[in-house]
Order: sequence, then C-alpha cells, then structure tokens
Amino acid sequence: GQQVMQIPQYQHVQEGEDFTTYCNSSTTLSNIQWYKQRPGGHPVFLIQLVKSGEVKKQKRLTFQFGEAKKNSSLHITATQTTDVGTYFCAGPYSGAGSYQLTFGKGTKLSVIP
Amino acid sequence: DGGITQSPKYLFRKEGQNVTLSCEQNLNHDAMYWYRQDPGQGLRLIYYSQIVNDFQKGDIAEGYSVSREKKESFPLTVTSAQKNPTAFYLCASSIGGRDYGYTFGSGTRLTVV
Repeated sequence: GQQVMQIPQYQHVQEGEDFTTYCNSSTTLSNIQWYKQRPGGHPVFLIQLVKSGEVKKQKRLTFQFGEAKKNSSLHITATQTTDVGTYFCAGPYSGAGSYQLTFGKGTKLSVIP
Repeated sequence: DGGITQSPKYLFRKEGQNVTLSCEQNLNHDAMYWYRQDPGQGLRLIYYSQIVNDFQKGDIAEGYSVSREKKESFPLTVTSAQKNPTAFYLCASSIGGRDYGYTFGSGTRLTVV
C-alpha cells in the first residue's frame, strides 16, 4: 500500500533558526496536504499542493511539491515559539477507496527560546 | 460557527467494557473519518464513511465499530475486543474526500483503568 514517510521525526531548533521537514511518497500523488498539531491539540489543515513543482507561501512558511509529485517539503524561516507542534503531511490513498488520506508520522518541532 | 464536536474530551474505561465516542459535525460534509493517534505512530485510520448508511474499514478496524445513521453523526464504539484501546481518538470530516482538507474535532483521550 501507499506509504508516506516524513523526516526528521524530531527537530529541536533555537528560536530564530530555520526549520525544514520532508515528506516522501512511495507513489505519485494527485495532491499533498500539510497539517499542524499543537501540543495537546488536534491537527489543523494548513495547505494543499496540487501542481508539479508548486510552491506556496504562508508568511514564514514555504511549501513545495516535487516535480515528480512524490515528495514535498515545509520550510519555516526564523522559527518562533508559536511554531511549536507536530507537522504532518498527507497524501490521497491510491487504493479502491478514493476518500482516504494517508498521513505521515509527523515531525515534532521544538523551539528553544 | 461550523465545526466538529467530539465528546467526551476524556474517557476512562474499565477493562471488558464497551464505550462509545461521539462525533457530530455541522459543516454539511459528506465524508467522515475516525483516526487513532498513539505517540510516535502518527494518525491511523480506523473507519470512514462517505455517505449515510455506508462505512468502510480502515487500517486498524479490529475491535471497533461505527454507524452512520445521520449525515451529521459518526459515533465510534470501542469494544472489549480492542486489546489496547488507550489512545487519542480523532474524528474528521471533509466536503468531498481526499482532494479537500480535513477538519478535525478536538479529540477524545481514552484511558483503560
């Protein structure tokens, strides 16, 4: 079945440093989605990428979708303590059920003030 | 405001008991999902439903049951057959499936005592 791998699993950064998490799929994706889960909270949808090579920005967050549509990255510039949380990527399941997303295991970001 | 409501927030269950977790949405979304989250495991799909009176097993359905009698409601029953039920349970919905972002509820933390 489809697998979505995320690296690293954990990342500790000093406030103000940059952060990047990577997502790799075993199959080509029609789209990829990113979610953020704050400690003790629930996942919140951040963005969806659809086109090959697409780049989208949300303030200090930059999202990229690979040319082959099998990988993606999330880059945060100049991290702040409000960025703390776990970031998940998710891709559509390529099996018979067309309504599922497969989630990566997430990258847990800690920001040291 | 539209959203997903999960209740209760915390639930304690004795071994051998069945418990039912509530999930209600007023977003008029067709698809609803139940995920289980364990530390370091990411989100694992238990059951999903695309339309009323229809639901499908996810990756870890054993020991769980669901119903979808109304569009707004998708309750999850954790049965005594589930060997390790202590986890954080998340309900989600989407307007049309995998090409749209999921909206998550705030979750139910189940502990077996």
